[in-house]
Amino acid sequence: AQSVTQPDIHITVSEGASLELRCNYSYGATPYLFWYVQSPGQGLQLLLKYFSGDTLVQGIKGFEAEFKRSQSSFNLRKPSVHWSDAAEYFCAVGDPNAGKSTFGDGTTLTVKP
Amino acid sequence: GAVVSQHPSWVICKSGTSVKIECRSLDFQATTMFWYRQFPKQSLMLMATSNEGSKATYEQGVEKDKFLINHASLTLSTLTVTSAHPEDSSFYICSARHPETQYFGPGTRLLVL
Repeated sequence: AQSVTQPDIHITVSEGASLELRCNYSYGATPYLFWYVQSPGQGLQLLLKYFSGDTLVQGIKGFEAEFKRSQSSFNLRKPSVHWSDAAEYFCAVGDPNAGKSTFGDGTTLTVKP
Repeated sequence: GAVVSQHPSWVICKSGTSVKIECRSLDFQATTMFWYRQFPKQSLMLMATSNEGSKATYEQGVEKDKFLINHASLTLSTLTVTSAHPEDSSFYICSARHPETQYFGPGTRLLVL
């Protein structure tokens, strides 16, 4: 069975500082991997996804993520955080056959001025 | 592209009544949609997979007679919460698969009094 672990429940960074959110997954084959962001009371917005190919994936809003098979990780990064990045971030692993995804518990990002 | 809408965005109802939530893919066709439930500060809990033209597949522990799902067209899935009770109060989010990625609606907040 597939699973996703986001080790950090809550992260606080200063505006302008770099950010890395961790995601580890468990899946039997090459996974489909996703990062989503959720603002309070809103749905989830897709930041980026990885299916195959280049292991460094660029997304929207200046985010990127790197797939590391050896570490079963798909960490999300941003070089300079903006106050508007404060939100909940979810990592997900997708089952290509069933089409459904398993989500991590999420990481809450707080941005200090 | 890949926009999903939900209606209503919030609803308040009396205990014992039924509530219907619509999920529409606005600019693509989706043979598969998903319904999630999210409790405050928690991750998404998959309730069911909605397949166009066939019966929905419910996750373990989800009462299919209470949460009726109908996927009548390639752009519309509905979730009906029957005989709603206060414990059904929650944030309900749908997503549509296109083609290997889930795109999420903005969510519907249900409050049962």
